[in-house]
Amino acid sequence: QKEVEQNSGPLSVPEGAIASLNCTYSDRGSQSFFWYRQYSGKSPELIMSIYSNGDKEDGRFTAQLNKASQYVSLLIRDSQPSDSATYLCAVKGGNQFYFGTGTSLTVIP
Amino acid sequence: KAGVTQTPRYLIKTRGQQVTLSCSPISGHRSVSWYQQTPGQGLQFLFEYFSETQRNKGNFPGRFSGRQFSNSRSEMNVSTLELGDSALYLCASSRYGLAGAFFTDTQYFGPGTRLTVL
Repeated sequence: QKEVEQNSGPLSVPEGAIASLNCTYSDRGSQSFFWYRQYSGKSPELIMSIYSNGDKEDGRFTAQLNKASQYVSLLIRDSQPSDSATYLCAVKGGNQFYFGTGTSLTVIP
Repeated sequence: KAGVTQTPRYLIKTRGQQVTLSCSPISGHRSVSWYQQTPGQGLQFLFEYFSETQRNKGNFPGRFSGRQFSNSRSEMNVSTLELGDSALYLCASSRYGLAGAFFTDTQYFGPGTRLTVL
């Protein structure tokens, strides 16, 4: 059983701080990694994808991938109240996506 | 470019009935995946269709079935509904191929169909 593990939280950070979200996965052969944001009652929306070891930055978001440690993280700089949501980590193994149960983030004004 | 669309958005059924959900992918996307999302289980993979063929299937009973048409639109059917089938059903589409010089398999989700079984 391929697994994706996330700390369910809730994670609370003050506005303007850095939020750090973590994800580990069990399938060493996984090649594609994604972060999605899901607001309550809405569907997941893509934040970013990462395929290679290292960091990938997109605006206030930075994804970090370490395949040797089977670890992927998402950093949100200058956190805003509008970032309050559940963040889903997704890992693709073979032809199938596996999702974590999500980390709930609250940004306190 | 229009996003993934799903119809209907909300559905109320009773136990024993059947239901069909529809998904139209982003133009040019050939892969369509279906997921069930519940508060307790998170996102659970149902199946994926690619070029009208089921490519992958999750661990759901045979009551859950799907198909994909030549225009990549997909339908999901659930027969003999049970109370536990109440969930948000999400469709996600992917180009799954080259986008310029790079391979992409990124999935984009539709708004979902909220199914309530009474």
